[in-house]
Amino acid sequence: QQPVQSPQAVILREGEDAVINCSSSKALYSVHWYRQKHGEAPVFLMILLKGGEQKGHDKISASFNEKKQQSSLYLTASQLSYSGTYFCGTEGGDGTGGFKTIFGAGTRLFVKA
Amino acid sequence: DAGVTQSPTHLIKTRGQQVTLRCSPKSGHDTVSWYQQALGQGPQFIFQYYEEEERQRGNFPDRFSGHQFPNYSSELNVNALLLGDSALYLCASSWTSGRVYNEQFFGPGTRLTVL
Repeated sequence: QQPVQSPQAVILREGEDAVINCSSSKALYSVHWYRQKHGEAPVFLMILLKGGEQKGHDKISASFNEKKQQSSLYLTASQLSYSGTYFCGTEGGDGTGGFKTIFGAGTRLFVKA
Repeated sequence: DAGVTQSPTHLIKTRGQQVTLRCSPKSGHDTVSWYQQALGQGPQFIFQYYEEEERQRGNFPDRFSGHQFPNYSSELNVNALLLGDSALYLCASSWTSGRVYNEQFFGPGTRLTVL
């Protein structure tokens, strides 16, 4: 079951904040976040394991609510380099390896000066 | 340290033909997953190889097959190509041994066009 991402697209001015949501109808073990720029491969941002932890990477952080089967990616004080398509990937099971990652349709983010 | 590499970069085939795509994982990685990404869509999981065996498979027909070699590199084969097979094919590597999650590193992809 493909996770649902929202919004589908967002336009920001440099310095503004954004939140991208990812929800699944199935129980999740982990949620992965990737960013893909046009014509390039997806680049790993972070992974969150069940337990409701929050992670951060510079001004990008994420949370994972396993009970609600939802994850959110927070982009703070956005920079031009943040532009791209953000994908969440969900992984079910007990995380003992070998579980496939199902990606959402993506959220297109454009940051303008 | 070389990342994930894929070959060829681009490929043009006609309907009914067969194609083989290749992937070399990042050093130290033992697991390879293949994805199909249509324009404007997220990557769709095809299958995953570990210890030279297909460990997981997505909703793709048997025309899609693969192989993993002892050095962990992998091939994706697609038979009887259809126009709808035109897409970017991504290879992602990760490591399973001793890990409990599946952080993946993607290669640059192979752009397949079926005419």
